[in-house]
Amino acid sequence: AQSVTQLGSHVSVSEGALVLLRCNYSSSVPPYLFWYVQYPNQGLQLLLKYTTGATLVKGINGFEAEFKKSETSFHLTKPSAHMSDAAEYFCAVTPTSGTYKYIFGTGTRLKVLA
Amino acid sequence: SAVISQKPSRDICQRGTSLTIQCQVDSQVTMMFWYRQQPGQSLTLIATANQGSEATYESGFVIDKFPISRPNLTFSTLTVSNMSPEDSSIYLCSVSDHKGGYTFGSGTRLTVV
Repeated sequence: AQSVTQLGSHVSVSEGALVLLRCNYSSSVPPYLFWYVQYPNQGLQLLLKYTTGATLVKGINGFEAEFKKSETSFHLTKPSAHMSDAAEYFCAVTPTSGTYKYIFGTGTRLKVLA
Repeated sequence: SAVISQKPSRDICQRGTSLTIQCQVDSQVTMMFWYRQQPGQSLTLIATANQGSEATYESGFVIDKFPISRPNLTFSTLTVSNMSPEDSSIYLCSVSDHKGGYTFGSGTRLTVV
């Protein structure tokens, strides 16, 4: 069965510092991988996704993530945090077999300190 | 990507009552999905709603508690029935964006007192 683990339910960084949000998955075959962001009182917004091809994926708002099969990881990074990045971030996987079912991680709440 | 309008955005309800949440999409979609996000937790899929057929429920969710309607290709409702405080959650609908991801509504924040 697939699963997703996000290390750190809360992460604090200073404005301008590197953002690193960790996501590891468990799957018998590499799944499709996603990062979503949820701003307060809003729905989820897709940041980026990996399906096939280049393992370094660039998303919106300066975020990127790298799929590392050997480490079963899909960590989210941003070189320089901005106050507007404060939100909750969810990693999710879905099988490549065509099913639509997401499995979400438990989320990481990012706090950006001035 | 599709634009989803979800109503109500929030509600406070008495235990034992029911609340119907509406999800309107600006384009026709085959499948619509309903998720629950309990406080401090991740999202859990409740059910998948296809137009013209009964919804498919995930383990732990039953039709009597969460009846779903899907009258056409742009609209769906989820009812939370006989509510208890444990039903206090954010409920979200979602559709495929046809680019490998999914679009989510802004959610309904339900508090049961």
